[in-house]
Amino acid sequence: DVKVTQSSRYLVKRTGEKVFLECVQDMDHENMFWYRQDPGLGLRLIYFSYDVKMKEKGDIPEGYSVSREKKERFSLILESASTNQTSMYLCASTRRLAGGREKQFFGPGTRLTVL
Amino acid sequence: SQQGEEDPQALSIQEGENATMNCSYKTSINNLQWYRQNSGRGLVHLILIRSNEREKHSGRLRVTLDTSKKSSSLLITASRAADTASYFCAHDRGSTLGRLYFGRGTQLTVWP
Repeated sequence: DVKVTQSSRYLVKRTGEKVFLECVQDMDHENMFWYRQDPGLGLRLIYFSYDVKMKEKGDIPEGYSVSREKKERFSLILESASTNQTSMYLCASTRRLAGGREKQFFGPGTRLTVL
Repeated sequence: SQQGEEDPQALSIQEGENATMNCSYKTSINNLQWYRQNSGRGLVHLILIRSNEREKHSGRLRVTLDTSKKSSSLLITASRAADTASYFCAHDRGSTLGRLYFGRGTQLTVWP
């Protein structure tokens, strides 16, 4: 089975800190995604990557950046954390098939609290 | 936003009853998927239905798709307390990059 791991389950940071969230998948998937999930808002896409060093903005990229130097690893960076970035962050990966038929595999999530 | 929308937002039933959740979307799609999320965890894929399919079954799950109405439904038959979770639909809006657009989810509670 595909395994998607995230570096932390819970994280507490202070306003203004630089925060790194790491995601690793072990099935050679081309696509990787970062979402944030807030009550009543569902999953919102922050950034996604369809290949090494490639990235695309999602719906809410402001305040975030990403890095994909290796195929298995996709990092989400909060350059200067703010309290409104307190949220659950979910990473996902998928193969790329024609017609977008592939299901996404999710990590367990990182609950980030910014004080 | 081209997110899907689930309906109802919350559903509470007794064990043994059937649970039906609906999803609507606004654009053309290649496929539509349903995911489940236990509290505080990541999402798990349940079932995928292609745009040229009308119905699909997997165990106690039945998914229907009506592309003319841009809607889908997920039916869980003979529900169990362990089915308690949030359920999300997601569609691709015709994207070939694997990007999905998720709805806000339906919180299902099944009482023993």
